[in-house]
Amino acid sequence: QKEVEQDPGPLSVPEGAIVSLNCTYSNSAFQYFMWYRQYSRKGPELLMYTYSSGNKEDGRFTAQVDKSSKYISLFIRDSQPSDSATYLCAMSANTGNQFYFGTGTSLTVIP
Amino acid sequence: DTEVTQTPKHLVMGMTNKKSLKCEQHMGHRAMYWYKQKAKKPPELMFVYSYEKLSINESVPSRFSPECPNSSLLNLHLHALQPEDSALYLCASSQDPGWGYTFGSGTRLTVV
Repeated sequence: QKEVEQDPGPLSVPEGAIVSLNCTYSNSAFQYFMWYRQYSRKGPELLMYTYSSGNKEDGRFTAQVDKSSKYISLFIRDSQPSDSATYLCAMSANTGNQFYFGTGTSLTVIP
Repeated sequence: DTEVTQTPKHLVMGMTNKKSLKCEQHMGHRAMYWYKQKAKKPPELMFVYSYEKLSINESVPSRFSPECPNSSLLNLHLHALQPEDSALYLCASSQDPGWGYTFGSGTRLTVV
């Protein structure tokens, strides 16, 4: 079983829709969680960084962590064509440990 | 400066060549990383430098040789690569090991 599971998509939504991206994990020790956005042929860009359970909001983006279910989500409100990219989740047990990446979800927002 | 700068952006090399990839950051980050990413796959960790010392080597073949000359620079020396080593090579840095990474734009390497 992989450490981190992420539906690769592709996911296609109309402009203005609410997008939900999800990852599940098996290691209950994970407590640091990140979401990255990667445009084609570019390096990943850090969107959200959260610790332990709960919600974190930044503009149109909200990250949720449910440690009891080993499940994390990224919500994008009022999605825009510029949000079209691959979204990667990553997580780690402790600072100093490496992060484990999901396989990424490809998102297309249609104008 | 909030960027990680990687050079070159593209590199084509033969299997007998020796080349180097360079990475630079001026954010005062104390951990630097090399990742390899194949198309439609997540980044795979290769090396971690923490306070200029190699702390993680993920069983990478010896044809890849990392070097950290100082806290701002990270090199990846390449020698006798194989075509299957063709990939996007990403450098990243973080304030401390395990904190959120800042990635560079990568070097797209093609081995012919």
